[in-house]
Formats: sequence, structure tokens, C-alpha cells
Amino acid sequence: GQNIDQPTEMTATEGAIVQINCTYQTSGFNGLFWYQQHAGEAPTFLSYNVLDGLEEKGRFSSFLSRSKGYSYLLLKELQMKDSASYLCAVRERDKLSFGAGTTVTVRA
Amino acid sequence: DSGVTQTPKHLITATGQRVTLRCSPRSGDLSVYWYQQSLDQGLQFLIQYYNGEERAKGNILERFSAQQFPDLHSELNLSSLELGDSALYFCASSVEGGTQYFGPGTRLLVL
Repeated sequence: GQNIDQPTEMTATEGAIVQINCTYQTSGFNGLFWYQQHAGEAPTFLSYNVLDGLEEKGRFSSFLSRSKGYSYLLLKELQMKDSASYLCAVRERDKLSFGAGTTVTVRA
Repeated sequence: DSGVTQTPKHLITATGQRVTLRCSPRSGDLSVYWYQQSLDQGLQFLIQYYNGEERAKGNILERFSAQQFPDLHSELNLSSLELGDSALYFCASSVEGGTQYFGPGTRLLVL
């Protein structure tokens, strides 16, 4: 199984940058995903890392270090609509295990 | 819109009852996954089907069962419902080894 840890809450100001860390332990790593989830809605896919390094997608970037069991999601130029929960998920074979999520609140 | 559809959107029922949740995957996706999300817990994986066959099982109670039909839609059956089964139930689909895309969910309230 997996142990996936991420902070519970983070608050940042509009226009700022926030970094959400995720650490994990797994016996059969097969990729790490980040999803965004607004309250009461479905998780939506943000990014995927399977090799070490940084993946950049517009205002969102995700980094992975497999040897350290560590990933982060970087949100730049924060907007009010980025207020949501961000879920780190580790895939083992075809099965995804999710962290508890980090609630990001963007203040004006 | 992810392309995954789920019905119904909302369901209110009583303890002891049985309900069926339905999911249609994205066109071309053979894998369907079911998740439960309650307020005090994160997204919990329940079960996966691939092309009609059960592929992986997570924390699914014996009172719950699922199946995937030849047209690839899937149903999750929840029986002998308890108050604690109140949650959001999500279905996701993917191609084999691909990213999972989630449906809008079914909100179940057991009274």
C-alpha cells in the first residue's frame, strides 16, 4: 500500500505562488498525478509525472523525485478560481491511491 | 466535461435500502473505477473493471458490488445501506495505463 502525505491547508494571496508538497511510500511506483477538486465537484486532472524532473503546463508545474518519494505542485500567478483542494495520487500498477488533499485558499 | 457520465446526480434513501449507481465511461475507455468520498475521508478506491472483468479491489464493503456490462457501462450496487454510507460516489475511466478522468459523481444521502 501507499502512505501519501500532503499539507492540509495553505493560504496565499492573489497573484502569488504556492507550492504544495507531497511525499509518498510505495512498493510499485507507476506514476504520480495531481488533481484539482472544487467543493462538491469531480476531481479534474492537472498533471502527471513518471520520470524525475519538472513538467510545466501553463501556470501549473509539477516536479517528481522518485528516489526521495517526493513531488510538488507549483501554482503561479494565483487567481481566485484556484481556491480548491489539490489531490496528490500515486499509481501502483493500475491502481490510484489519493492523499487527503490540500485545501488552497486564495485571498484578494 | 470529462466525457464520463454518472446517474443519478443525487439520491436520498433510507437505511436498509438498496440503490444502484450508473456510470458510462469516455468513448474508447475500457477501464472503469469506482471511488467513495465522504467528508471525513479522502477519495477511497473501491473497485476497478477492465473490459467487463474485475481487475482490482480496494476498500469495498461486502454489501457493495459492481459490474461492467458488454457496452462498457458500469453499475455500483449498494445494499443494506447505513448512515455512514452517505458520501459522494465517483466513477472514473481510462484507457489501459492512462490517466483517470472522473465523472460528476452521485451524491448519496442515507437517512
